[in-house]
Amino acid sequence: SQQGEEDPQALSIQEGENATMNCSYKTSINNLQWYRQNSGRGLVHLILIRSNEREKHSGRLRVTLDTSKKSSSLLITASRAADTASYFCATDAGGADGLTFGKGTHLIIQP
Amino acid sequence: DAGITQSPRHKVTETGTPVTLRCHQTENHRYMYWYRQDPGHGLRLIHYSYGVKDTDKGEVSDGYSVSRSKTEDFLLTLESATSSQTSVYFCAISNRDRGPHEQYFGPGTRLTVT
Repeated sequence: SQQGEEDPQALSIQEGENATMNCSYKTSINNLQWYRQNSGRGLVHLILIRSNEREKHSGRLRVTLDTSKKSSSLLITASRAADTASYFCATDAGGADGLTFGKGTHLIIQP
Repeated sequence: DAGITQSPRHKVTETGTPVTLRCHQTENHRYMYWYRQDPGHGLRLIHYSYGVKDTDKGEVSDGYSVSRSKTEDFLLTLESATSSQTSVYFCAISNRDRGPHEQYFGPGTRLTVT
C-alpha cells in the first residue's frame, strides 16, 4: 500500500509563481525524499530530509518535514516552464526494501 | 545520469509468453529495485535485491521473478505475461550502505501485453 500521499494530485500555475505540494505518510520514517519525473522519463532525486530535520533548502526548492503530523511539503519558488513535471514524495523507513512512493502531484507551469 | 540502463526500452508481447527485462548498472551499488508505474498508482515495488543472489519480494510480486547473478545485472521475468502486467517498468539502484541515500532510476521499459 502507498505510504505517502501527495496533495494536490494536479496543480497548474503561472510561470514565476510559487508551487507548493504536500505529502502525508502513515508510519515512522528515517528520512523523506522528493523526486521529479518528466514525461516519459525515469525519476530524478531532488532533495532528502532526515527525520530530525525540519527544513531544508536546495536552490529554488524548500522542503519542510513535520514528523508529529507525518507530513512534508515541497515549495518551488519562482517557477519556470521547465519545472513542469510530476513530483513524488518517498519515505524511507530504513529497511532493505528502500523507499515507498506516493502517487505524485502533476505540476503544470503555464508560460 | 547514473550508469543505469534498461533493455529493452519497449516491448510488445502476447498473453502467456515469458518476458525478461534487464537492468544493468555500472555504479557497483549493492541495492537494486524493480518498480512498476501505472496511472493512479504511482510507483509500486515488485522485487528488490540487497546483493548477489539476495533478493526479496515487494508489494506487487505475484507473477514476477527476479535473479541477480552479478552485481551489475538485475533481471525481472514475467513467467507468463498477462494484460494486467502492461505497465512501465523502472529499475533503480541505491548505495544505502553509506547511510540515508537516494535512488537512481533507469529510463524505464514500456511493456504492452496483448
